[in-house]
Amino acid sequence: AQKVTQAQTEISVVEKEDVTLDCVYETRDTTYYLFWYKQPPSGELVFLIRRNSFDEQNEISGRYSWNFQKSTSSFNFTITASQVVDSAVYFCALSFFSVISSGSARQLTFGSGTQLTVLP
Amino acid sequence: DTGVSQDPRHKITKRGQNVTFRCDPISEHNRLYWYRQTLGQGPEFLTYFQNEAQLEKSRLLSDRFSAERPKGSFSTLEIQRTEQGDSAMYLCASSQRETQYFGPGTRLLVL
Repeated sequence: AQKVTQAQTEISVVEKEDVTLDCVYETRDTTYYLFWYKQPPSGELVFLIRRNSFDEQNEISGRYSWNFQKSTSSFNFTITASQVVDSAVYFCALSFFSVISSGSARQLTFGSGTQLTVLP
Repeated sequence: DTGVSQDPRHKITKRGQNVTFRCDPISEHNRLYWYRQTLGQGPEFLTYFQNEAQLEKSRLLSDRFSAERPKGSFSTLEIQRTEQGDSAMYLCASSQRETQYFGPGTRLLVL
């Protein structure tokens, strides 16, 4: 079975601080994708980043960076120089490969989310 | 560029009534997903369509729930004989490949 754990329920930081959101996952699949989504108070889930299981290269995109370590099944997400507009719930998600006779589906399994509050 | 849209955004109903939600995916996306999200939790998968075919359903989708995507474009999710436990945010997503893009959701409150 697939499982995503976000142990941090709530984090508060002061603006301009760096913040790292933790994500640990479980899967038996050898091919999978990992995602981070942001859900602001308006409720819409916004896609941030995607990583596939066969590429452990860590990258930086603007103020966002991520650390994917297959050995520890972790996919942590860092926001550098946080801003008040970053305040939201952040979800880590795992996409596993589900083989259907007519094709394939990749359901997302989400963690329970981390509420990030950036204080001015 | 039009994203995923959902209608209505909010729905209040009385227990026992039927409700129907609509989702319009991003136009070139052939995959459409429904999720349910309760307060303080991450979204949970309900069902998936590839074009007009419903290929997978979660155990969460009881027989009171039915989803359709008749022409492979928009989709509807109907809940019959609503119960208070159905109160949640219902999210629709679409994709062409691996990344799913979500709509704003329909928030359902069953009184």
